[in-house]
Amino acid sequence: AQSVTQLDSHVSVSEGTPVLLRCNYSSSYSPSLFWYVQHPNKGLQLLLKYTSAATLVKGINGFEAEFKKSETSFHLTKPSAHMSDAAEYFCVVSERGSTLGRLYFGRGTQLTVWP
Amino acid sequence: DVKVTQSSRYLVKRTGEKVFLECVQDMDHENMFWYRQDPGLGLRLIYFSYDVKMKEKGDIPEGYSVSREKKERFSLILESASTNQTSMYLCASSLFRLAGGTDTQYFGPGTRLTVL
Repeated sequence: AQSVTQLDSHVSVSEGTPVLLRCNYSSSYSPSLFWYVQHPNKGLQLLLKYTSAATLVKGINGFEAEFKKSETSFHLTKPSAHMSDAAEYFCVVSERGSTLGRLYFGRGTQLTVWP
Repeated sequence: DVKVTQSSRYLVKRTGEKVFLECVQDMDHENMFWYRQDPGLGLRLIYFSYDVKMKEKGDIPEGYSVSREKKERFSLILESASTNQTSMYLCASSLFRLAGGTDTQYFGPGTRLTVL
């Protein structure tokens, strides 16, 4: 069975400081992993996706995530936060090779960026 | 660009009404999904469909049904709306893959439904 745990429901950082959003997953098989972002009153947008290639995945807007199988983690990072990064972030897992494409969402982390 | 559209951004209905939420995608995707999003709970899958006239229950199908008569359109139906169905409803679509990975899901902007 697949599941995702986002370890922080809220994260607050100052503009220009690093961002770390933590995610642990559980999967019976080799997973595909995603981070999605949702800005206020907007739909979900894909930030980045891990399938099976490089363990360090680069996404849009300077975000990246590292797949660590031994720790079953897929934490999202950014070296320097910007005010526009304030949003809700979702870590998502899917069983690789799943023909039905089901995704399993974490409960979300709300990121606040202070000026 | 993939475009997923939902018929309404905001909807207010009364308890007991039958409610239709419509979703249309323009990229010829086989898979379509309906989720509800509630604060602190993330997204929960209600139903999904991998082909016309095919449907599968997700994690919280009770009180909902779906219809997929055409490939591009996936409808969510609340047979008799209740106040506990007040929520944000999100539709998504993705390509069908025989093997080799899960394709990205593309989301619509959501419908915020209030049931009074």
